Amino acid sequence: AQSVSQHNHHVILSEAASLELGCNYSYGGTVNLFWYVQYPGQHLQLLLKYFSGDPLVKGIKGFEAEFIKSKFSFNLRKPSVQWSDTAEYFCAVNARGNNRLAFGKGNQVVVIP
Amino acid sequence: KAGVTQTPRYLIKTRGQQVTLSCSPISGHRSVSWYQQTPGQGLQFLFEYFSETQRNKGNFPGRFSGRQFSNSRSEMNVSTLELGDSALYLCASSLDWDRQGSYTFGSGTRLTVV
Repeated sequence: AQSVSQHNHHVILSEAASLELGCNYSYGGTVNLFWYVQYPGQHLQLLLKYFSGDPLVKGIKGFEAEFIKSKFSFNLRKPSVQWSDTAEYFCAVNARGNNRLAFGKGNQVVVIP
Repeated sequence: KAGVTQTPRYLIKTRGQQVTLSCSPISGHRSVSWYQQTPGQGLQFLFEYFSETQRNKGNFPGRFSGRQFSNSRSEMNVSTLELGDSALYLCASSLDWDRQGSYTFGSGTRLTVV
């Protein structure tokens, strides 16, 4: 079964700072990778996804993630955060051909105005 | 278009009781998955249904069950509730079986077992 690790569960940063959240997964086969975001009081929303092709994926709201197969990583980045980026971010993976998602424990990100 | 609708939003039950949660997927979506979210364990997969058939099941005891109807609406049932079943239960829908995890999530049902 797949597993996902996210580090630095609580991140506090100021507006305009850069954000990088790490995600590592363990699974030997082909995977699909996702980042979901949960804003305060809202439901989980898909931020971006990687199925195949260019390992640098761009998502909504200026977020991007890079898939590094050799490192089993899918790190999320944003060059300049805003107060509205305060949310919990979840990395998820599923094995190709299986819709069962394995989630990381999440990163609680607080952006101070 | 309407999103994924879960009812009820909040539930309080006592130990030993059973509970049924409902999920209406986005119109046209045929795949429905259920997840349990707790502070300690995070988001854990419960099961997935497609065209009224259970396709995948997570590592939960048999007290957790589900079904899907012909209109793609899904229900999950938890019998003989335990305190540890207190959680946010999330439903997610996808257009097709092969949409590979690109799910739209509902707001969840918050279950509290006392």
